[in-house]
Amino acid sequence: LAKTTQPISMDSYEGQEVNITCSHNNIATNDYITWYQQFPSQGPRFIIQGYKTKVTNEVASLFIPADRKSSTLSLPRVSLSDTAVYYCLVGDREGYSTLTFGKGTMLLVSP
Amino acid sequence: SQTIHQWPATLVQPVGSPLSLECTVEGTSNPNLYWYRQAAGRGLQLLFYSVGIGQISSEVPQNLSASRPQDRQFILSSKKLLLSDSGFYLCAWSEGRKLFFGSGTQLSVL
Repeated sequence: LAKTTQPISMDSYEGQEVNITCSHNNIATNDYITWYQQFPSQGPRFIIQGYKTKVTNEVASLFIPADRKSSTLSLPRVSLSDTAVYYCLVGDREGYSTLTFGKGTMLLVSP
Repeated sequence: SQTIHQWPATLVQPVGSPLSLECTVEGTSNPNLYWYRQAAGRGLQLLFYSVGIGQISSEVPQNLSASRPQDRQFILSSKKLLLSDSGFYLCAWSEGRKLFFGSGTQLSVL
């Protein structure tokens, strides 16, 4: 299971674009990259998932370079409600049967 | 659509008392089910996962056990709680490579 490294915390202001980078140097060929968002006292919520290049949905974009040793979650025009912990996970098995989340990145958005 | 129910939301238990947390999933059959624990200020630790009825895999040796008596029911138990069992317990199910979490149980062992 590929180990991931993320910044412990990030600060931003409302309306700015936020990019959170995750390093996963030993990612395997079959591994996918998934990001989750967690608010206090709630379970994590799926944000986006990708394998290579770029993936975009209604809330975020995920950029994955050709070597796939890192990935960047991009949140456009953040608001106060985007204050949360963001987790990057890498795994290959359907269902992630042995998945363990790291400490994630605490994003604080200020007015 | 699929939903996951987890209860209770909060629980305060004395050291040495038993524990039973229940999780049920609706709208899907034969889901992969998971129990996670999050200690204060730390990431989520996978405790148990199950790929079917009666099939339980433990990721971490501990004071806890899990059971899956029915296809969509997952139970976390302990015979005697320790102070170190305090934390935020989350049940989850997966579809493909995506995890879907319940609302969690905040357990305080005093």
